[in-house]
Amino acid sequence: KNEVEQSPQNLTAQEGEFITINCSYSVGISALHWLQQHPGGGIVSLFMLSSGKKKHGRLIATINIQEKHSSLHITASHPRDSAVYICAAPGGGADGLTFGKGTHLIIQP
Amino acid sequence: DSGVTQTPKHLITATGQRVTLRCSPRSGDLSVYWYQQSLDQGLQFLIQYYNGEERAKGNILERFSAQQFPDLHSELNLSSLELGDSALYFCASSVGERSEQYFGPGTRLTVT
Repeated sequence: KNEVEQSPQNLTAQEGEFITINCSYSVGISALHWLQQHPGGGIVSLFMLSSGKKKHGRLIATINIQEKHSSLHITASHPRDSAVYICAAPGGGADGLTFGKGTHLIIQP
Repeated sequence: DSGVTQTPKHLITATGQRVTLRCSPRSGDLSVYWYQQSLDQGLQFLIQYYNGEERAKGNILERFSAQQFPDLHSELNLSSLELGDSALYFCASSVGERSEQYFGPGTRLTVT
């Protein structure tokens, strides 16, 4: 079973700061998922990546398969980025995901 | 809006009862996943179906069962409910295996 660790657990930053959230996993995988969960509870898929780097707007995700490590970066952070960010990897059986505990991000104006 | 629908949004029931949660995947998606999110356990994978067949099981209790119907919608049945079953239950779908998963809005179950 894959073990997924995230850090930090909580992060408070000022608007405009560059944010980095880290994720490591124990077993080699085909792809890693980054998810966002807002206070209302809904989960949105941000990225699924298997190598290198992906970018959507101000969000960038990178992965190093050899080191079993991924990072999620937010550039020019904004209060609307406040949410819980969760990384997840297959390992729950077939494609079932194993989740990190999440990073609770608060961006203050 | 992910295109995945779940009903009901909220469900309040008593211990010992049985409930059914329903999920309709995005159009064209063949895989359906069920996940449970509770305060103490976080997000956990329960079960996956692919094109009507059970594909994988995670931490699903024996009191829980699921199925995927020919029209690809899925139902999660929870029986002999206990207080600890109170949680958010998410369904997700993907076009195939090893594909991006799209999450529904969840069903919040409260067992009293």
